[in-house]
Amino acid sequence: RKEVEQDPGPFNVPEGATVAFNCTYSNSASQSFFWYRQDCRKEPKLLMSVYSSGNEDGRFTAQLNRASQYISLLIRDSKLSDSATYLCVVKERGSTLGRLYFGRGTQLTVWP
Amino acid sequence: DTAVSQTPKYLVTQMGNDKSIKCEQNLGHDTMYWYKQDSKKFLKIMFSYNNKELIINETVPNRFSPKSPDKAHLNLHINSLELGDSAVYFCASSHSGGGTDTQYFGPGTRLTVL
Repeated sequence: RKEVEQDPGPFNVPEGATVAFNCTYSNSASQSFFWYRQDCRKEPKLLMSVYSSGNEDGRFTAQLNRASQYISLLIRDSKLSDSATYLCVVKERGSTLGRLYFGRGTQLTVWP
Repeated sequence: DTAVSQTPKYLVTQMGNDKSIKCEQNLGHDTMYWYKQDSKKFLKIMFSYNNKELIINETVPNRFSPKSPDKAHLNLHINSLELGDSAVYFCASSHSGGGTDTQYFGPGTRLTVL
């Protein structure tokens, strides 16, 4: 059983579209949640943390539903530069220092 | 001013060879990691060191041996390379405690075993 599951996509959307990604995690004791972004042939980089109350950073909104063990990322007004793979990441409560579990990622392509 | 650096960036070698990948971070972090990203893009942790002490050692073949000479460096040595070792290896670092779990990744080392 995978710790973190994501729809791999690909999602192909036009500029200006709104797109949403979903992610589920298996361990109810999970403590911290993140979205990382990985450009083609580059390293992953933190996009945003996900808080229980939901949080927004510009065009990006992250939501967490602990009861359903579900995390989402909403991107509004998509830009060409948003094309990348989005990785859902979970840290478990009490886990070994710094241990993160990564989903396989959801690929997004924004076209002009 | 590179934060996390790895060398080499590309590594092409024959089966059975021994190779090393080096990682250095200048962020002052106390925890470093090695990840493997396979052809299906799945990123999985291999090892983690905190203050030069091994704290995560996933189920990887013992042909893989990490070494941390100091907090700023974590190297990965691989013996008797196999075809299945072909992947991208990422080094990462983070600061333990302080309320943040952000890990900063190096640019990756693309290993191809022929």
